[in-house]
Amino acid sequence: GAGVSQSPSNKVTEKGKDVELRCDPISGHTALYWYRQSLGQGLEFLIYFQGNSAPDKSGLPSDRFSAERTGGSVSTLTIQRTQQEDSAVYLCASSFLGINEQYFGPGTRLTVT
Amino acid sequence: SQQGEEDPQALSIQEGENATMNCSYKTSINNLQWYRQNSGRGLVHLILIRSNEREKHSGRLRVTLDTSKKSSSLLITASRAADTASYFCATVPSNDYKLSFGAGTTVTVRA
Repeated sequence: GAGVSQSPSNKVTEKGKDVELRCDPISGHTALYWYRQSLGQGLEFLIYFQGNSAPDKSGLPSDRFSAERTGGSVSTLTIQRTQQEDSAVYLCASSFLGINEQYFGPGTRLTVT
Repeated sequence: SQQGEEDPQALSIQEGENATMNCSYKTSINNLQWYRQNSGRGLVHLILIRSNEREKHSGRLRVTLDTSKKSSSLLITASRAADTASYFCATVPSNDYKLSFGAGTTVTVRA
């Protein structure tokens, strides 16, 4: 079956521009996560969606970051007024319920110039 | 914040040898998971061990969990060049649902 997909795979943007990153989770998975990974580092939790519950936004680093999940499926992570420190790989994962194994997408490599 | 901490940070072994890496964590957990990451992109789930389990096997992988010491180990037996990757442990706290990842162990298998 289809795995988690993310688009675009790479994004280069100028400082100050807004970007949107998309994640298509595995069908039927109720939980969706966004993470950020800087070069050579571990994963930094950003936001978590579970079913129709209010998302856990506790990991978002600033109010420039926001995310939504429409219809319990596709999710979009938006970064406004991008800064160079936003450069990283953004990973999306989904799972059936929140405590089980997560299935990751290939990530979006964001470069802010 | 990162709850799991892997040790060592990097490991280089000869093909055919075993590789062992450890993970320590701080709070009580529901389960602990190991993931592999190739080339800095998507992670692949390897194995999940629940807090009431002590050992689990999957192919050439063996995971142990010691909740009294708040630690886990991942053993890769008879390593292959294709095992070259970064390995991460991740914990699900017993009172939460978010996975918390460590910084990872980079394993290089030399041919």
